[in-house]
Order: sequence, then structure tokens, then C-alpha cells
Amino acid sequence: DAGITQSPRHKVTETGTPVTLRCHQTENHRYMYWYRQDPGHGLRLIHYSYGVKDTDKGEVSDGYSVSRSKTEDFLLTLESATSSQTSVYFCAAGGTGANVLTFGAGSRLTVL
Amino acid sequence: QKEVEQDPGPLSVPEGAIVSLNCTYSNSAFQYFMWYRQYSRKGPELLMYTYSSGNKEDGRFTAQVDKSSKYISLFIRDSQPSDSATYLCAMILNTGNQFYFGTGTSLTVIP
Repeated sequence: DAGITQSPRHKVTETGTPVTLRCHQTENHRYMYWYRQDPGHGLRLIHYSYGVKDTDKGEVSDGYSVSRSKTEDFLLTLESATSSQTSVYFCAAGGTGANVLTFGAGSRLTVL
Repeated sequence: QKEVEQDPGPLSVPEGAIVSLNCTYSNSAFQYFMWYRQYSRKGPELLMYTYSSGNKEDGRFTAQVDKSSKYISLFIRDSQPSDSATYLCAMILNTGNQFYFGTGTSLTVIP
């Protein structure tokens, strides 16, 4: 979606290195989410944000941290990447009271 | 038990067929129901959105919600090869913003 940009789109890294994925939105949505998508598991929520500096954990938050210093940016950090974090990561956003999400194009991360 | 169950398929149909995709859910408090379409190596895109029970039609697509059975469906009429994608159902409680997704059904429409 043109309103949500993820970077990088592809990354290969080694076990133990830190990784930061960035999500940028131009729609001024209040809520932003990070999901990971893996075969057989579908979309699983990692963390979400309900405003600047307001974040909360999802079902698979271990090993991940997030930050949101501006409405438009939501960062996902893997402090020390592991092979189990090899996945496709999607950012999504929705407005106050909105009941639909708009997704980014995804970031494919490979941890060797 | 997962909040939302969806048959992963894969489902393969000939062009022009009617396709039925389904999800069941366990939480009767869900009020908003969505279907997303995801092409290979792309992000999910919203296809249909319905509130509470009933049907909603948009072109060749019909979304149906049966809250008494906790069952939602997506029907695709006159299916086209361009409909080949993974379809994910999603739902949300009336309050709050926790979205629950099915695992997705992979559909292939054969020309």
C-alpha cells in the first residue's frame, strides 16, 4: 500500500546481530502493528502501538522491541537475531475507531 | 483452541467456478469481520468488510456472516486466474483493536 512503507524490504543477517525494521505511514493512523507471517501460523502479532510512545506486546513479543517516537514511524528491533526469527514481517496501521488494517508490502528477513 | 480457524487448503478450481472460503471462530463477542487477499510476496489487502450478521456483496464477491453459528464465508463467483491468492479472514471485538486472523486459504484458479 502506498500509504505504508517498510524498509528494508529484504535483509540477510547473521545470528547475534541487531536488526531494525522500519515502518513509515503517511495516513496519520493512530494504531500501528508489527506482525510476522510464517507457513502454518498465519499472521502473528508481535507488538502494537496505540499512540506516540504507547506500545504493548502481542502474542510473540519475546526477542523483539519496538519504539514509536513519531506518529508516522514504528520501529521493530531484534536485539540479537536468531534463526527462529527468519520470517516475513508486516507492518499495518489503522485509525482511531477504525476496524480495518492497511498493510505494508513486507520485509523478508533471513537470519543465518 | 485458536480464536479463528481457517482451512489452509490448498484449493484448486477451474476458471468460472464458484469458490467458497470459510472461517469459524470461538468468541461470540466478535462484531467486525474482514477478508483480506494476499498475492504471493505481497502484503494483505482488504477485500471485504462486514459488521455483525448478514451478507455484503461487491461485484463477484459476497461476504456472509452467521453469528449464531460463529461462521463466516467468502464467495467468489465466476472465478478468474487473477483471483489466485491466499485469502485471510480476520475479525475484531466491538471495542479495542486486537485483530484476530485465520491462517489463510491458498486458492488457485486454473485457466
